[in-house]
Formats: sequence, C-alpha cells, structure tokens
Amino acid sequence: AQSVAQPEDQVNVAEGNPLTVKCTYSVSGNPYLFWYVQYPNRGLQFLLKYITGDNLVKGSYGFEAEFNKSQTSFHLKKPSALVSDSALYFCAVRDMSGYSTLTFGKGTMLLVSP
Amino acid sequence: GAGVSQSPSNKVTEKGKDVELRCDPISGHTALYWYRQRLGQGLEFLIYFQGNSAPDKSGLPSDRFSAERTGESVSTLTIQRTQQEDSAVYLCASSLGLDYTGELFFGEGSRLTVL
Repeated sequence: AQSVAQPEDQVNVAEGNPLTVKCTYSVSGNPYLFWYVQYPNRGLQFLLKYITGDNLVKGSYGFEAEFNKSQTSFHLKKPSALVSDSALYFCAVRDMSGYSTLTFGKGTMLLVSP
Repeated sequence: GAGVSQSPSNKVTEKGKDVELRCDPISGHTALYWYRQRLGQGLEFLIYFQGNSAPDKSGLPSDRFSAERTGESVSTLTIQRTQQEDSAVYLCASSLGLDYTGELFFGEGSRLTVL
C-alpha cells in the first residue's frame, strides 16, 4: 500500500520569508511524487512533479521541491513567500512499479501574513 | 472541453434521498477519477475508470455509492439513501490514462450537504 504524510496541519510564514511544507511518503517501489494547491472553493491545481532525474524539481509560481530517497521525503519550498500563496497544499504519490492510483496526503494549510 | 466540468456545484439534500453528481472530463482523457474531500480529512480515493477496462472500485465506502462512465466521456457518481456523513466535496479528475507520470486535472467539485 502507498501512503503520504503531511505532518503539519498549518504552516505560518511572513511574506518575503522562505517557506517549507513537509511531505513524507511510503510506496513499495519507486515513487512518482506530486504537489497540488487548492485555493478556496476551487479544485486542485498541479504545481510540480518528480518522476526521475534531478532531485530538485521546479514548478509553477516559483515553487520547488526536493526529492530525498533516503528520507522518503518530498518537501515543498519557496525562497520568498507571497500573501497570494496562502492556500491548501497537497502532496501525492503513485507507485512507479505498476498500476496504481494517486494517493494524497491530508493537506497543509499555508498562511502567509503581510 | 477546456477543463473538467462538474455539476451541480452545490447540492443540498435531505437524509435518505438519492443524489447524482456529474463529471465531464477533458476531451481525449481516457482516465477518470472520483475523490471525496471531507473537512480536515484530505482527499479520499473513490473510484477510477480507464478506457474500457473494469473500473477500480476499491475506494467506494459502501454499497450506497456507485459510479458509471459511458465510454471515455461523462461519468455519474450516485449516492443512494444519503447520510449526513456523506456531506463532502466530491472532486472529479481526468488524465491521459496510459501516462502514469502525468498529472491529474481536477474539476472544481460538487459540494454535497446532507441535512
């Protein structure tokens, strides 16, 4: 079985400061990893994904994520937060070794204060 | 269409009634997913359709839940004899199903409230 843990329900950061949203995963094979963002009353929007190659993945809106196989982590980062980044962020995993659906974490609310 | 379309966007119903939620995926996407999002509980996988293959129903929480899809087009999620715990946002997503590296494209969801 595959699973995702997002240990923080909420992350608070001041505008202009760097932000990190944590994610760890568990799969039986190698992972495909994703980050999605959800703005209020909206569906989920894709931010970035790790499939293979460089461990540092760059995505939309200046976000990036670092894949760490030994720690089974895929933390989302941004060097300088914006108030408009405030939203609900979901990490997701899919097992690369065979057919499987995308499993999501519970989500982390990011609040960026002015 | 340009994106995944879901209807209704909001549905209020009484306990015990049946409801149908509709999803129109992106044209050409062979894979279609239904997820449920309950407050504070993240996204819960319900069911997955891929082309003409048998659907993966492993996430359906009870036999009150069912879903159909006609070919590679519209899907309907049906909840019979609704209960208050069914209140949630039901999200539909589609993707190029044979490409497991690809992202899912989500609709804006159908918010179901069971009184």
